[in-house]
Amino acid sequence: GDSVTQMEGPVTLSEEAFLTINCTYTATGYPSLFWYVQYPGEGLQLLLKATKADDKGSNKGFEATYRKETTSFHLEKGSVQVSDSAVYFCALITYFGNEKLTFGTGTRLTIIP
Amino acid sequence: DTGVSQDPRHKITKRGQNVTFRCDPISEHNRLYWYRQTLGQGPEFLTYFQNEAQLEKSRLLSDRFSAERPKGSFSTLEIQRTEQGDSAMYLCASSPGTALGANVLTFGAGSRLTVL
Repeated sequence: GDSVTQMEGPVTLSEEAFLTINCTYTATGYPSLFWYVQYPGEGLQLLLKATKADDKGSNKGFEATYRKETTSFHLEKGSVQVSDSAVYFCALITYFGNEKLTFGTGTRLTIIP
Repeated sequence: DTGVSQDPRHKITKRGQNVTFRCDPISEHNRLYWYRQTLGQGPEFLTYFQNEAQLEKSRLLSDRFSAERPKGSFSTLEIQRTEQGDSAMYLCASSPGTALGANVLTFGAGSRLTVL
């Protein structure tokens, strides 16, 4: 079945540091890929998405590129801020037989000033 | 439209009691999903509806769980004879399906259940 593997957290960085959160996936079929973010006390929010190989999703300075050859969708940001502190979830959806979103376990990110 | 609404936001109950959660999706969305999230884990799929039809149920959804979407609008998730292991955040999401490209789910803030 479908699965998503994320790098384990928690991750703690200083403000303005470079961020990478790794995500790899296994899917039956050709998935769309997503990063969702959960800020403290809030619900899940879509951060960015990519629907086909080599697509780059971007939002709020975050980027992720759909790499079919390595089945990866790593999240990056060049300069993190304290306000980026949250839990980040990688997820995929496929379109064969069902269309449910499958999530990774999440990576907690803390940015210190 | 203000997004996906869930009610109540918090519910504390005693073991053995029944609880019901309600979800109001984005009005033009025909798909509605229920997920469960426990501490430190990603959301786990429970079930989803296309309009009023329940199209898939996870094996996580035991006989004590039932979900409905009677008129293809709001949905309820009922848990009967609650157990302490049911304590979790129950998330609802809706989506427009693939008519407009990727099936992007919009989530509500969740209903947190604590079973004592």
